[in-house]
Amino acid sequence: KAGVTQTPRYLIKTRGQQVTLSCSPISGHRSVSWYQQTPGQGLQFLFEYFSETQRNKGNFPGRFSGRQFSNSRSEMNVSTLELGDSALYLCASSLDRGRATGELFFGEGSRLTVL
Amino acid sequence: DAKTTQPNSMESNEEEPVHLPCNHSTISGTDYIHWYRQLPSQGPEYVIHGLTSNVNNRMASLAIAEDRKSSTLILHRATLRDAAVYYCILRDHGQNFVFGPGTRLSVLP
Repeated sequence: KAGVTQTPRYLIKTRGQQVTLSCSPISGHRSVSWYQQTPGQGLQFLFEYFSETQRNKGNFPGRFSGRQFSNSRSEMNVSTLELGDSALYLCASSLDRGRATGELFFGEGSRLTVL
Repeated sequence: DAKTTQPNSMESNEEEPVHLPCNHSTISGTDYIHWYRQLPSQGPEYVIHGLTSNVNNRMASLAIAEDRKSSTLILHRATLRDAAVYYCILRDHGQNFVFGPGTRLSVLP
């Protein structure tokens, strides 16, 4: 079956702009998590959505937001972009949320460059 | 914060076994030990997980210490395709995955 699909794969924005990234989870998966990966900070958890509700949020400013649709597809938005937002944004899906044995399936990521 | 400690980097020769250590001295009784790896230019992928007993799958083996304060991911015969960053993660019910810096494994031909 198809894996996790993230679009766009690459994008370039300038400071002050906003960006929307999209994630289509594996069919049947209801949980979607977002991570930011930078060389300096590694993989950092942004937020998790399950059944259209945000269940957990990482330590990121309010400029970072997201949502999940009824078909489990998810979007994340970053407003008022800063240079430090340049990163690889990874989406991961799983069948359900919170099971300690649950497996995450990651997409290939959206690489954002802020100039 | 990540609750595991791993070496920053390791090297292995191709077709030799690789033992990647992970220390988790503050592990709780309900924490599962997960391993993921991230190949260059890809998102992380699941490798293996376990609770108390050693585990084997087609990719690797997971050896868990009797006191569960450490574990070792074993790649039985390293290939060039195994060069990646390997993450050891503890996860309890209801928690998110917290990724540490991981171990960068280099495989030499």
